[in-house]
Formats: sequence, C-alpha cells, structure tokens
Amino acid sequence: KQEVTQIPAALSVPEGENLVLNCSFTDSAIYNLQWFRQDPGKGLTSLLLIQSSQREQTSGRLNASLDKSSGRSTLYIAASQPGDSATYLCAATGANSKLTFGKGITLSVRP
Amino acid sequence: GAGVSQSPSNKVTEKGKDVELRCDPISGHTALYWYRQSLGQGLEFLIYFQGNSAPDKSGLPSDRFSAERTGGSVSTLTIQRTQQEDSAVYLCASSLQAGGFNADTQYFGPGTRLTVL
Repeated sequence: KQEVTQIPAALSVPEGENLVLNCSFTDSAIYNLQWFRQDPGKGLTSLLLIQSSQREQTSGRLNASLDKSSGRSTLYIAASQPGDSATYLCAATGANSKLTFGKGITLSVRP
Repeated sequence: GAGVSQSPSNKVTEKGKDVELRCDPISGHTALYWYRQSLGQGLEFLIYFQGNSAPDKSGLPSDRFSAERTGGSVSTLTIQRTQQEDSAVYLCASSLQAGGFNADTQYFGPGTRLTVL
C-alpha cells in the first residue's frame, strides 16, 4: 500500500527566502507525481505534474524534482512571497489512476 | 473555460438521512474522480470513472456509499443513512483521460462540505 509523507507539517519563512518542500513515498511503482496547492476553504490547484520518466518540471518560480529510486520529490519555491502562503500537497499516481496524497505542508510566508 | 463544478457547496443533514452530491466535470474530460477530505485523515481516494464505468470501487468506505456517472459527464455520489463520521469535504476532479502512463493532470472542483448532525 502506497504511503506518502510530507514533513514538516507546517513551515514559516520570511518573504524572499528560497525554500524546499519535501515529499516521500514508499512504493516507487508510480506513474507520476503531482504537487497541488490548497487555499483555505478552497479546492486543489494543480501546480506541477512529473511523469515517472522525468526528473523535474518547472513553472515560473516553482521547480519540482522526482527521484523514483529513493522515493522522494521536492518542490522548490524561489523568492517566496506572502501570496505563496497555502497548504502544499504532493500525490503519487498509482494503478487505476489512484492518487495517494500526503497530508500537506502548511506554508506561511511572512511579509 | 469552465472548471469542475460541484453542488451543493454546503450540505447539513441529520444522521440517518440520505444525501446526494453532484459533480460536473470539465467538458471533454473522460475521467472523473471522487475524494474525501476530513480533519486528521487528509485526502482519501474514493472512486474514479473512465467514461461511465468505475473500474475501482475499493476506496468507497462502506456499502452506504455509491456513485454513478451518466452520459460520460455528470456524476453523483450518494451516501445512504448518513453517519457523523461521514462529515467531510467531498472533492471531485476530472482529467482528459485516466490510466497508467497517460494519466493526466487532475483538475479539482471547490468541494461540497457535508456536515452530519
């Protein structure tokens, strides 16, 4: 059974800092790994999807990497802004397109 | 264009009543997914549809839960004889297609917050 872990559960940083959010998964037989953002009371917004054959994906200030062999993914956020404050979830896609989510990292960027 | 929509946005019901939650996927998306998000449990996969068929129903918590999809579009998630532990946010997502290495990005709706008194 796939298990996805995100540590720490919460993170607070000053504006402008570069930061890395970690995600680990137990079963390396994944099709892809996705990073989502969730704002309070809202649904999920897809940020980046990395196929199993890829090593990284970039979108603007965000860069996600994937190392299947070690069961790890990281989301790098450059020059963080207060608007980046949200909960960030990673999810591994396995058989039958089932997404297994981590519990998320709640990020607070202080002005 | 229009995203995934869900209705109602909030539902308060009494224990033992049946509820029906609706999801309208993005037009043209063949795959549709239901998830549940509850405090302390994180996001939990319930079921997914490829077209009108559901290949994997193993995520449904009990036989009180059922889901259907008609016309390859709208889906309803029905919870019979609701219990307090069913209280959660129910999220729906859709993608162009499902399955293996072709699995696409899933786009989520805003969710339905269900409260069972």
